Amino acid sequence: DAKTTQPTSMDCAEGRAANLPCNHSTISGNEYVYWYRQIHSQGPQYIIHGLKNNETNEMASLIITEDRKSSTLILPHATLRDTAVYYCIVRVAGRDDKIIFGKGTRLHILP
Amino acid sequence: GAGVSQSPRYKVAKRGQDVALRCDPISGHVSLFWYQQALGQGPEFLTYFQNEAQLDKSGLPSDRFFAERPEGSVSTLKIQRTQQEDSAVYLCASSSWDRGETQYFGPGTRLLVL
Repeated sequence: DAKTTQPTSMDCAEGRAANLPCNHSTISGNEYVYWYRQIHSQGPQYIIHGLKNNETNEMASLIITEDRKSSTLILPHATLRDTAVYYCIVRVAGRDDKIIFGKGTRLHILP
Repeated sequence: GAGVSQSPRYKVAKRGQDVALRCDPISGHVSLFWYQQALGQGPEFLTYFQNEAQLDKSGLPSDRFFAERPEGSVSTLKIQRTQQEDSAVYLCASSSWDRGETQYFGPGTRLLVL
């Protein structure tokens, strides 16, 4: 079973920041938080990952709480192309291992 | 560079037919994964190769499912005597040792068994 809990769906207005929450209360000390997204009819796409510090790249920002039991993926200026299912995953980094996906959050960007 | 490619993109099979799904990973990627994604669900792991060695096949749902990667590059997922419950999207992903945390996915093959 997936080790994360996410809302089933969310809406966000185009141009606004989309904040996607994820709970991972049983995360282990050596596990990272990863985010992937899956646009309709495409394969999942890696977005970002982090251990305990906040991370930012060209796609998104990842905010992890100090106790590491939850995190938030932030898309700073959502566009219609960001409509997708977003998966929050916990796994050990640097290890070539299968990804255990949950059901993710279906994000709808509204024009 | 080219990403992971899969063929065919769509496959319709009659119940009982055998099908073969192909995955071309990113050149030089050592690791290759197959996942199955049912409608409305997240992808579920099927099997994993490191070069030509199949190191984990714990996710294969039955002995009708078989995967191979004979030369450590292209992989084929074969399903024998297809059943309606095999209808799903089959995703392939590859990764390299120096970026083991990132799996790159292909577009998937959508299989419909009638």
